Amino acid sequence: AQKVTQAQTEISVVEKEDVTLDCVYETRDTTYYLFWYKQPPSGELVFLIRRNSFDEQNEISGRYSWNFQKSTSSFNFTITASQVVDSAVYFCALSEVGYGSGNTGKLIFGQGTTLQVKP
Amino acid sequence: KAGVTQTPRYLIKTRGQQVTLSCSPISGHRSVSWYQQTPGQGLQFLFEYFSETQRNKGNFPGRFSGRQFSNSRSEMNVSTLELGDSALYLCASSLGLAGGFSSYEQYFGPGTRLTVT
Repeated sequence: AQKVTQAQTEISVVEKEDVTLDCVYETRDTTYYLFWYKQPPSGELVFLIRRNSFDEQNEISGRYSWNFQKSTSSFNFTITASQVVDSAVYFCALSEVGYGSGNTGKLIFGQGTTLQVKP
Repeated sequence: KAGVTQTPRYLIKTRGQQVTLSCSPISGHRSVSWYQQTPGQGLQFLFEYFSETQRNKGNFPGRFSGRQFSNSRSEMNVSTLELGDSALYLCASSLGLAGGFSSYEQYFGPGTRLTVT
């Protein structure tokens, strides 16, 4: 069965600190996608990144970076020089890749990590 | 491009009633998925519609149903509401390409917060 685990329930840091959010996943599929979403207090889930299982290159986007390690089934997210605006709940999610009308469109979410960045 | 819109944003219903929530996807997106978010269970997949057909379904009772119209707009319905149905209901849209790989970047709406009393 597919499963996503975010072991950190809450993290609190002071502004400008670096912070890493952990994500470990389980799947029997060899082809899948991984995602990170941000949920600010307004409630809307904001898409941050998608990674497919064949691409283990790390990615950096501004202050955000992602480390995908298939060997440990992990897809960790690092925020460098955190800011108060980064305060939100962050979700890691997993989905299978579908062919045609196969098992697609279903995201399995972790329980989320609440990040609080204090000024 | 306008994002995903959901109406209404807030809803209060009484146990036993039914409710219909609406979702308008991003223009050009043909897939709409629905999720329920509660403090206890987190984010759970309800179902996905593509080209007016339900393509995937989560583990929810039959009281939860949905449909999609020819313009890709979607509605979900919950009948015989229970207190445990109080949640944030999120709709997500994606291109949902049929055939080949479907990468599924799903873009979410602001949600409908349903309170059942």
